[in-house]
Amino acid sequence: EIVLTQSPATLSVSPGERATLSCRASQSVSSYLAWYQQKPGQAPRLLIYDASNRATGIPARFSGSGSGTDFTLTISSLEPEDLAVYYCQQRTKWPQVTFGPGTKVDIK
Amino acid sequence: EVQLLESGGGLVQPGGSLRLSCAASGFTFSSYAMTWVRQAPGEGLEWVSAIGTGGDTHYADSVKGRFTISRDNSKNSLYLQMNSLRAEDTAVYYCAKDIHGYSAYWGQGTLVTVSS
Repeated sequence: EIVLTQSPATLSVSPGERATLSCRASQSVSSYLAWYQQKPGQAPRLLIYDASNRATGIPARFSGSGSGTDFTLTISSLEPEDLAVYYCQQRTKWPQVTFGPGTKVDIK
Repeated sequence: EVQLLESGGGLVQPGGSLRLSCAASGFTFSSYAMTWVRQAPGEGLEWVSAIGTGGDTHYADSVKGRFTISRDNSKNSLYLQMNSLRAEDTAVYYCAKDIHGYSAYWGQGTLVTVSS
């Protein structure tokens, strides 16, 4: 099983600042990595797929990068509504996909 | 607009059974693989099961032999039959529309509580 590790566990960022979230895979997942946003009390929402492609309707302030084992989600200018937990997910061995443990983004 | 609406959750005793349903609309249901993902209270996301367009089924080791996924394309519906339920199956269960291996659209979830 491919294990995903996310860091940091919690990130406190002021509005307007940049937030950088990391996801590391236990083995290469090529570019088959997605990022999801889960706001409190809501279902997850797909943000980024195939490492760097924004899903439909996702604001441009969200961007993804990386390949192989190291990936980054960047929120260029944090908005108050970005308060959420962010999960990475690999699909290399679909349908046996795995999720990371999540990074909680707090608004400072 | 893609809509997914789960139902069937509730309180069940250990060893009991429950059948979850997911009603889909806004897309050609038969053309997409579908997935169940669960989230225990205060925890992260766990993939549970998936069914392909051809009816091929796949399960996480934690539920294999106890859960059965199925679909009825004539009713645009996805199901999860859960038997021999355990306390550790307590979670919100989400159905999701799969696009190229990613859960592109999610329902609002249905809570399953396994407790005596």
